Amino acid sequence: GENVEQHPSTLSVQEGDSAVIKCTYSDSASNYFPWYKQELGKGPQLIIDIRSNVGEKKDQRIAVTLNKTAKHFSLHITETQPEDSAVYFCAAVASGGGADGLTFGKGTHLIIQP
Amino acid sequence: EAGVAQSPRYKIIEKRQSVAFWCNPISGHATLYWYQQILGQGPKLLIQFQNNGVVDDSQLPKDRFSAERLKGVDSTLKIQPAKLEDSAVYLCASSPRTGTSDTQYFGPGTRLTVL
Repeated sequence: GENVEQHPSTLSVQEGDSAVIKCTYSDSASNYFPWYKQELGKGPQLIIDIRSNVGEKKDQRIAVTLNKTAKHFSLHITETQPEDSAVYFCAAVASGGGADGLTFGKGTHLIIQP
Repeated sequence: EAGVAQSPRYKIIEKRQSVAFWCNPISGHATLYWYQQILGQGPKLLIQFQNNGVVDDSQLPKDRFSAERLKGVDSTLKIQPAKLEDSAVYLCASSPRTGTSDTQYFGPGTRLTVL
């Protein structure tokens, strides 16, 4: 089955700086890679996703890059703000056959220092 | 549009007791998932439904966990008997369709503590 590794487990950055979180996956059939933000006591919320036919996607201060050859993808947050503090999860899934449950990484606790 | 609803939000039980969680997906979403999230880890899929049929339950501990989605809308997840290691947040998610990778929308979760 799929295995997703995520680094770092904790990331502390100064407000206004950039943050980068990296993930690797094992199943070459995986073709959908979402990123979720989870705040304390809440369920995960999708912030951006990328499909295997695209190398990069951007939405305002958030961007995701995908390298299919190396099987890794990254989340980039620019101009970080206090409200960006949360736990971020990457995930991967191979679509087709009906079963598309996500395999998640272990999460990155992002801390924005004022 | 209302999100995924779950209840209860919190539950504390003794080991060997039984417990049930309820999920109401976003209206019109045919696909429903249950995930288990142990503290400090990412969610892990337990079971996926398409309408009222099971698509994937390969990671569901079937000796103690069961789930149903009888009318293709609401779903319940049951644990009987509970073990200490079942302490976790149980998340329900829904998606408009399956067969293609589509966005999964998560509910707030039910935090289970087994004493």
